[in-house]
Formats: sequence, structure tokens, C-alpha cells
Amino acid sequence: GAGVSQSPSNKVTEKGKDVELRCDPISGHTALYWYRQSLGQGLEFLIYFQGNSAPDKSGLPSDRFSAERTGGSVSTLTIQRTQQEDSAVYLCASSSRLAGIEQFFGPGTRLTVL
Amino acid sequence: AQSVSQHNHHVILSEAASLELGCNYSYGGTVNLFWYVQYPGQHLQLLLKYFSGDPLVKGIKGFEAEFIKSKFSFNLRKPSVQWSDTAEYFCAVNWRNNNDMRFGAGTRLTVKP
Repeated sequence: GAGVSQSPSNKVTEKGKDVELRCDPISGHTALYWYRQSLGQGLEFLIYFQGNSAPDKSGLPSDRFSAERTGGSVSTLTIQRTQQEDSAVYLCASSSRLAGIEQFFGPGTRLTVL
Repeated sequence: AQSVSQHNHHVILSEAASLELGCNYSYGGTVNLFWYVQYPGQHLQLLLKYFSGDPLVKGIKGFEAEFIKSKFSFNLRKPSVQWSDTAEYFCAVNWRNNNDMRFGAGTRLTVKP
């Protein structure tokens, strides 16, 4: 049984470059979430997709961050002009229907901005 | 904006000590409540959840949590911790009226052998 997968597992980039992080949710899960986990900062909500509804982007920290979800499945989180403070683990989670149902987390992508 | 507060950032206990981790959330109507755990080097995984019914919820590995509606709290407890409980613990709340879901900042638990 496939869980949530994320790629790459690690990404090292230079300040100012753009990065794309990918999330493959569990098949059939209509809800998809992106979070950021920084040392000492806990789990920070970024964006939430539910089916064909407009995404909840209220957690995106700046306009350098964007995300899309194609075909209701795979999602890509894009960070433009990366900054050192963007260094963190980016986690993706999916759930089967509504936000109240258990979220299943992927292993995360560790982003390091030099 | 709705929020979730975990009061303890880092808790250090000796084996066999009792554990209670606090979680409070802001008012917003009916809620679903969760505790997640992240062991070192592993994914976040569900520890227990409350949707309705008995406010005392039993989870895996001897953990339990009590929903106290009047206090907007969902504290996690374990009577006797083990070294293997060393992990980070996250409280999460879903407000049903708008499907909003938020996590607390997490509490790092270190259990000394």
C-alpha cells in the first residue's frame, strides 16, 4: 500500500534560485496539505487543497511561495528566489475527504538554502 | 484566526514518570481533535483522535487524552513513560464549521533511561 511520497528527499540550493517540491498523495485522497517544519518552530500550515475547490492559501508566508495541484492528485510547491530562512523540512499530507479526517504524512523534503 | 497552543516546548522526564502535555485551542464551534507523534527520523503518525462520544480517548502505546470542552483543552497523558516515547508531539484541531485544520507548535519529549 503506497503512502504519501515526496521528492526530492533532500534539496540543497543557492540563495535566489527557484525550487520545486513534489507530493504524491495517497490514491483517492481528495484533500492535500503542505506544511513547513522548522527547527524550534513546530508545524506551520502553508496551503490546503480540497477536491476542485479553490485552495486555502492563507498560510503561505510570501508571494514567493505558490502551489498547484494537477488533476486532483499530484501537487507541486514552488519557492521562487529562495532565501536562507526558507530552509526547513516541507511536509505534505493527504486525507480521504474532509479536513477532519486523519491526515497521512509523507517523509518530507529537507530544503537547505545556502 | 483560529489557533492551537501547546504550552510546553520541551519536556524532560525520567523513565516511569507520568506525562501530561497541554493543548488548548481557540473557540470556533465543534471540533475534531488529534495528537500526532514524530519519532526521531520518522514520519508524523497519528497517536489518537477525538470526534465525539466519550471525552477520554485511548490511543496507541498507552497514551490517552481528555477533551474538556469548557476549557477548550485536549491534554495528552501517559501514566508511565518509557525511553522509547522520546519524540515530538503535536496537537491538531479541525474546526468543523469551516474545515480549518491547525497544528500546535509541538512539544519535544525527552525520556532519560
